Amino acid sequence: AQTIHQWPVAEIKAVGSPLSLGCTIKGKSSPNLYWYWQATGGTLQQLFYSITVGQVESVVQLNLSASRPKDDQFILSTEKLLLSHSGFYLCAWSLLRDTETLYFGSGTRLTVL
Amino acid sequence: QQQVRQSSQSLTVWEGETAILNCSYENSAFDYFPWYQQFPGEGPALLIAIRSVSDKKEDGRFTIFFNKREKNLSLHIKDSQPGDSATYFCAASASSGSWQLIFGSGTQLTVMP
Repeated sequence: AQTIHQWPVAEIKAVGSPLSLGCTIKGKSSPNLYWYWQATGGTLQQLFYSITVGQVESVVQLNLSASRPKDDQFILSTEKLLLSHSGFYLCAWSLLRDTETLYFGSGTRLTVL
Repeated sequence: QQQVRQSSQSLTVWEGETAILNCSYENSAFDYFPWYQQFPGEGPALLIAIRSVSDKKEDGRFTIFFNKREKNLSLHIKDSQPGDSATYFCAASASSGSWQLIFGSGTQLTVMP
C-alpha cells in the first residue's frame, strides 16, 4: 500500500481561482511533512515544512499557504492563483530530523491558464 | 546565487559506460549530500547519500566521490543502463538545526542502448 498519497493528480485552473492540494501519509506516526514546488524541467524548491500538527513553517513566499489539520495530512492552498503557480507540487515526509531522507509523493501537476 | 550547482543540464552516455554527474556547493555548513533520481511524472527518490566526514560512498553501481576542500562532489554510475535514464538531483543540507534540503538544478541523464 502506498505510504504517501497526493491529490489530485492534476489540475487545470484559471488565474484568480482558489486552489487546494492535499497529501496524506499512511502508517507513519508523527512524520515531518514538506511541500516542494518544481517548475517544468526545473529544480525543487521547498515551500513549507511541518514537524507537528497545527504548526507550519514557510520557507519561501509564493502567495501560498499550508496547513496541517491532522497528524497525517498536509494541505497546500491559495485563494487566488497566479500564472507563476503552474508546476509540479510534491509532498514529502521524513521520520528523522533535518530532512535526512525525504520520501516524495507522486506529485500534482498544476496548470494555471 | 545558487547554493548547490550542477554543472551539466544534460548528459548522454552509451550503455555500459560510466556516467559522471558533477555537483558543487557554496555553504561550508552543509554536511549531508543526497542524490535523488527522478523519472518523468514521478516524485524524486533517494538514490545514495554521503556525509562530509567521508570522501567516498558506494552502493552497487553508484558511487559518490566527495571533496570537502574543493566543495564539490560527483556521482558515478558504473555500467550505465537505459533504465538509468532519468534526472539526477544533487542536494545538500546542514544537519545542525536546519529543516531545509537545497536541491541543485538537476542533470538529465540519457543512456543510449
